[in-house]
Amino acid sequence: EAGVAQSPRYKIIEKRQSVAFWCNPISGHATLYWYQQILGQGPKLLIQFQNNGVVDDSQLPKDRFSAERLKGVDSTLKIQPAKLEDSAVYLCASSPPGQGVNRETQYFGPGTRLLVL
Amino acid sequence: GIQVEQSPPDLILQEGANSTLRCNFSDSVNNLQWFHQNPWGQLINLFYIPSGTKQNGRLSATTVATERYSLLYISSSQTTDSGVYFCAVIGKANSKLTFGKGITLSVRP
Repeated sequence: EAGVAQSPRYKIIEKRQSVAFWCNPISGHATLYWYQQILGQGPKLLIQFQNNGVVDDSQLPKDRFSAERLKGVDSTLKIQPAKLEDSAVYLCASSPPGQGVNRETQYFGPGTRLLVL
Repeated sequence: GIQVEQSPPDLILQEGANSTLRCNFSDSVNNLQWFHQNPWGQLINLFYIPSGTKQNGRLSATTVATERYSLLYISSSQTTDSGVYFCAVIGKANSKLTFGKGITLSVRP
């Protein structure tokens, strides 16, 4: 079974530029998550989708971050404009249906390392 | 929100040694997962264990939900076990997977 796919793996941009990340979850997984992991810390949830609807985006900085999952499968996360403090690893995860609300096992992709100069 | 504390923060072992990693959490949980983040940054699922005991090869985990802690045991450690081990929980009062700060394990040959 293929895992969660993410691209690009690495990205270097200058501050105030825009950037987009792509995620393809495990086939059949209805729930998709985007996390931000700053160096030395654990991942922090940015946004959670159930199919193509947003379940939780309370920790997404909406003035500069946006995310969509138009067809309930792939998702993109965008930052515009980027700030120095956005330098982090952006992780996508997905979980299968049927395990019970808040009891799902989350499976993570390899992440995208973003460096903002 | 729920608090997750992991200890020790750093651990250095000689290959072949055993170790115990601890995760304390501040509230009742619906979900508890242990992850290994390898040196390339990939988060790998080890256990889904909101309660009880599980074993997978050289790794085992125990969660005592009533006392709000979980333990990850690594036996006969290998250099490939190096990396950061995260405990993450979803509390009964919220819906986000909250991670601890991680335990950095270095296994020396």
